Amino acid sequence: ETGVTQTPRHLVMGMTNKKSLKCEQHLGHNAMYWYKQSAKKPLELMFVYNFKEQTENNSVPSRFSPECPNSSHLFLHLHTLQPEDSALYLCASSQENGRGGNEQFFGPGTRLTVL
Amino acid sequence: GQNIDQPTEMTATEGAIVQINCTYQTSGFNGLFWYQQHAGEAPTFLSYNVLDGLEEKGRFSSFLSRSKGYSYLLLKELQMKDSASYLCAVRDGNYQLIWGAGTKLIIKP
Repeated sequence: ETGVTQTPRHLVMGMTNKKSLKCEQHLGHNAMYWYKQSAKKPLELMFVYNFKEQTENNSVPSRFSPECPNSSHLFLHLHTLQPEDSALYLCASSQENGRGGNEQFFGPGTRLTVL
Repeated sequence: GQNIDQPTEMTATEGAIVQINCTYQTSGFNGLFWYQQHAGEAPTFLSYNVLDGLEEKGRFSSFLSRSKGYSYLLLKELQMKDSASYLCAVRDGNYQLIWGAGTKLIIKP
């Protein structure tokens, strides 16, 4: 595997279900991100992890729970979601050196539909 | 507040040139990125500008004017595979990445 992988690619769940999204990066990067992408809206940054430590949580509802067990893996645990949470969830990674010039590499995303 | 503006949709003809504009208002500036995103796929990095001027990479060029809060992505010799959304993102003074909503580019034969 190369780059950033995400599973599953598609997920349909009811509002009472619990599911998890998985992301793995094979690039040796030190930072990982979860984004939400809704149609015709800017990417919304949800969570940032640097060296496995969560450094950002952009007022995301508690029904989304991230987990970063090591610098290569990132999970997003989902429970009691709402229909408005239906979106494309993108994972990204980058090598951050504090000088801000490094691009983020994205996974293909998980298309989530909440019924 | 911080804001990135880019046109929602543009249409161009195969073989032609198109310029996609991006204007930004952010608290500080630490670089501007352009990404390409084909429908149903991941965004992929195209270019990065931190100093004023034009950066050229093959058929794609990106321009930045920090004093005007303005950038553009120039695509030459358009091909059908260039049909995609183009995302502008600015890293602000706190190194946070602020994203535009993207410009959907439609290429017609």
